[in-house]
Amino acid sequence: NAGVTQTPKFRILKIGQSMTLQCAQDMNHNYMYWYRQDPGMGLKLIYYSVGAGITDKGEVPNGYNVSRSTTEDFPLRLELAAPSQTSVYFCASSKDVSNYGYTFGSGTRLTVV
Amino acid sequence: DAKTTQPPSMDCAEGRAANLPCNHSTISGNEYVYWYRQIHSQGPQYIIHGLKNNETNEMASLIITEDRKSSTLILPHATLRDTAVYYCIVSFRDDKIIFGKGTRLHILP
Repeated sequence: NAGVTQTPKFRILKIGQSMTLQCAQDMNHNYMYWYRQDPGMGLKLIYYSVGAGITDKGEVPNGYNVSRSTTEDFPLRLELAAPSQTSVYFCASSKDVSNYGYTFGSGTRLTVV
Repeated sequence: DAKTTQPPSMDCAEGRAANLPCNHSTISGNEYVYWYRQIHSQGPQYIIHGLKNNETNEMASLIITEDRKSSTLILPHATLRDTAVYYCIVSFRDDKIIFGKGTRLHILP
């Protein structure tokens, strides 16, 4: 049981490039989330999904896109990367709204130069 | 915006109980109190949650005041591995948790 798997662990992008951060969970969780964490700060919710085919914006969605075609995968797309998107990105999942708590991945450290 | 107020940092001696306070004076009747922690640069880890009753699990205890305007997370016998940032979160349910700045807990040997 791998839990929540994020790839890649590290990435350096040039300004204007695009990339997709991958997130997969094998716990059959319906709910999945993307957060970003800037240095010394708390986590900010980017997007979340309550099930396949359903996504919604969080606190800081600008500059990002998501899709949820399967229960297992919730990729985060960065279009036209900017230095302000330099951050650590965490993906998380939870079973449902019955308060089981979130399971987080180990994060992707992204630097935009 | 986060609905909670936590001290930015705290110290606790190894082996003692660590008591982390959290104020959530605007909490609604159907909102839960959640606690997570983040060790170094790892992903946050769920600790415990509660609605109005005190809760205990293998990691910690959660004490919620009767008026529900504040709570305390208790780590009964703190170890060096408990050094982390602890987040107190208030949320209606599990589907959109918003993190604040948390409390940086230092366990002193």
